[in-house]
Amino acid sequence: QKEVEQNSGPLSVPEGAIASLNCTYSDRGSQSFFWYRQYSGKSPELIMSIYSNGDKEDGRFTAQLNKASQYVSLLIRDSQPSDSATYLCAVPSGGGADGLTFGKGTHLIIQP
Amino acid sequence: EAGVAQSPRYKIIEKRQSVAFWCNPISGHATLYWYQQILGQGPKLLIQFQNNGVVDDSQLPKDRFSAERLKGVDSTLKIQPAKLEDSAVYLCASSFGQNDNYGYTFGSGTRLTVV
Repeated sequence: QKEVEQNSGPLSVPEGAIASLNCTYSDRGSQSFFWYRQYSGKSPELIMSIYSNGDKEDGRFTAQLNKASQYVSLLIRDSQPSDSATYLCAVPSGGGADGLTFGKGTHLIIQP
Repeated sequence: EAGVAQSPRYKIIEKRQSVAFWCNPISGHATLYWYQQILGQGPKLLIQFQNNGVVDDSQLPKDRFSAERLKGVDSTLKIQPAKLEDSAVYLCASSFGQNDNYGYTFGSGTRLTVV
């Protein structure tokens, strides 16, 4: 069974600063990685995906992948109060199907 | 395009009762998933359908949970009998094809409370 580990937080970051969210995974064979954002009482929404080692940038979001260390992170630049949410890391469950295995999520609070 | 539709939004039942949830995926999406999200945890995959066939139901508690997707479009998930630990949000998601590595879209979910 694949495992995805995240610090549950809460992680408190002042407005305008960089928020750094981390995730480790157990399966060295994982090839794709996803970050979902979930507001309280809402369903998860995909914000970033990454497949190759290195960085991938999309607006204020940067995903970083290090397969050797089995580590993926999400950076949010110029954090806004609207970024306050739970951020879920996910990897494909594998085994021929493509459901996702999620971490427990990190609760991020952006302080105005 | 219309999103993934789920109903009902909320449901409260007593333990040992039965309950059913409905999901209508995005038009043309062949793959449909049901996830269970317990408060404070990430979603857990219960079952994956490809058209009307089951691809993965390894984490579905088959003694009490069942799901079907008869015509390869909408799907129902049933719990009978419900237990207190089944209290969770049940999320449906769909994607165009199997092995779609671009992630997928979730519906708004059904919040189940078992008392």
